[in-house]
Amino acid sequence: KAGVTQTPRYLIKTRGQQVTLSCSPISGHRSVSWYQQTPGQGLQFLFEYFSETQRNKGNFPGRFSGRQFSNSRSEMNVSTLELGDSALYLCASSLMSGSYNEQFFGPGTRLTVL
Amino acid sequence: QQQVKQSPQSLIVQKGGISIINCAYENTAFDYFPWYQQFPGKGPALLIAIRPDVSEKKEGRFTISFNKSAKQFSLHIMDSQPGDSATYFCAGLNAGNMLTFGGGTRLMVKP
Repeated sequence: KAGVTQTPRYLIKTRGQQVTLSCSPISGHRSVSWYQQTPGQGLQFLFEYFSETQRNKGNFPGRFSGRQFSNSRSEMNVSTLELGDSALYLCASSLMSGSYNEQFFGPGTRLTVL
Repeated sequence: QQQVKQSPQSLIVQKGGISIINCAYENTAFDYFPWYQQFPGKGPALLIAIRPDVSEKKEGRFTISFNKSAKQFSLHIMDSQPGDSATYFCAGLNAGNMLTFGGGTRLMVKP
C-alpha cells in the first residue's frame, strides 16, 4: 500500500503571498490531520478533516485553513504568509477519527518564507 | 501549555546499550500513546504505541512502559544500533484524533 504523499516537497515564498499544500492519504483512510513542525515550537496540531468536515482545529490564526475532498485528499492553505510560517508541514492520515487511531505521516512540505 | 513533557532532549548511547526516553503527561483525556521516530528530512514514522490499560508493550527491541497513576511512560530501546540514531517523539492522542507531542529526544548511538 502506498504511504501518505505530500506535494510539493519544497516551497519558497515571500511574505504576503499565499500557499496551498496538498496531501493524499493512504488508500482507505478517511481522516487527514495537518501538523506544523518548527525547531522552536516542535510539532503542533493544525486541524483534522474527516468525511470532508473539519472536526478539530488547533491554536493557529485564521490565515491557516484547509479542506478535504470526497476522495479524502486534503489541501491546506496559508494566506498572507509571515516569516514565522517557515516550517515543515506534515500531513497524517488515519483510518477513522477518534480514539486509538494510528496516524501515519507523510514526508512533509518544507515551506520557506523570505 | 505543554501537555507532554519529554526527557532527555538529547541522548548518547554506545552500540549495544539501552536507550531510555521518558515522557510525562497532564491531560487525562489522552487514550492512546504512540512513539514516533524521525530521521532528518523525513516525516515521523510510527514506532510503537500503547493504550493506558496496558502497563507494557514490546515489539522487537522496542518496549513501552506505562504508569497510569503517575501519568508517565517511557520508551526503551534494547541493543541500540547506529541505525537507531534519530529524533524520537512521544505523544498523546485524544478522542478528537489530535496528537499532542513531546519536545523530542535526539538519540545518537555511537559505534
